[in-house]
Amino acid sequence: SQQGEEDPQALSIQEGENATMNCSYKTSINNLQWYRQNSGRGLVHLILIRSNEREKHSGRLRVTLDTSKKSSSLLITASRAADTASYFCATDAGGYQKVTFGTGTKLQVIP
Amino acid sequence: DTEVTQTPKHLVMGMTNKKSLKCEQHMGHRAMYWYKQKAKKPPELMFVYSYEKLSINESVPSRFSPECPNSSLLNLHLHALQPEDSALYLCASSQEPSPSKNIQYFGAGTRLSVL
Repeated sequence: SQQGEEDPQALSIQEGENATMNCSYKTSINNLQWYRQNSGRGLVHLILIRSNEREKHSGRLRVTLDTSKKSSSLLITASRAADTASYFCATDAGGYQKVTFGTGTKLQVIP
Repeated sequence: DTEVTQTPKHLVMGMTNKKSLKCEQHMGHRAMYWYKQKAKKPPELMFVYSYEKLSINESVPSRFSPECPNSSLLNLHLHALQPEDSALYLCASSQEPSPSKNIQYFGAGTRLSVL
């Protein structure tokens, strides 16, 4: 399967703490994306990192990519209750027309 | 306008019914996608339309029939579904079906229940 694996599967933190999620994948990629999904809703694109980039920031989000280890991490700093959602990594490892989603991390931020 | 609109939001159908899901985008995107998502699972790709032509069918059963009438619209026709087809069906679009332009914009989904 081209699907990425994410860990942890679930994460519960207090508001104000940082949250880190990890994604591993199996084959070479052109880019890796992170998406967020509120319960039962559509996914929202957060950030894209290209295979020749090692780190990228967007607001309170920091993404790293290690192509030698085929892994990525998403750090959300100073978390808020509104960050409660499921987070998915997605790669184009399955072919240039496809985006394949990882298993996801369910984040709960407790006020 | 970065919106992908899906209708209906909810759909309940019997196994002998025929129904259609609709998806619309006005961002000028040339790639459109159908995904199926079961509870607590990631979205699974079903179909990709590239420049209004079906380019990927992920071995989806024929009871699901996609259609792309024009560059802004994507339909999913449903016929003789099974209870296990109950899921959230998500439509998405991207600028192009290429690695550099495949950021996906999703609709809110259609929650389908098959009785």
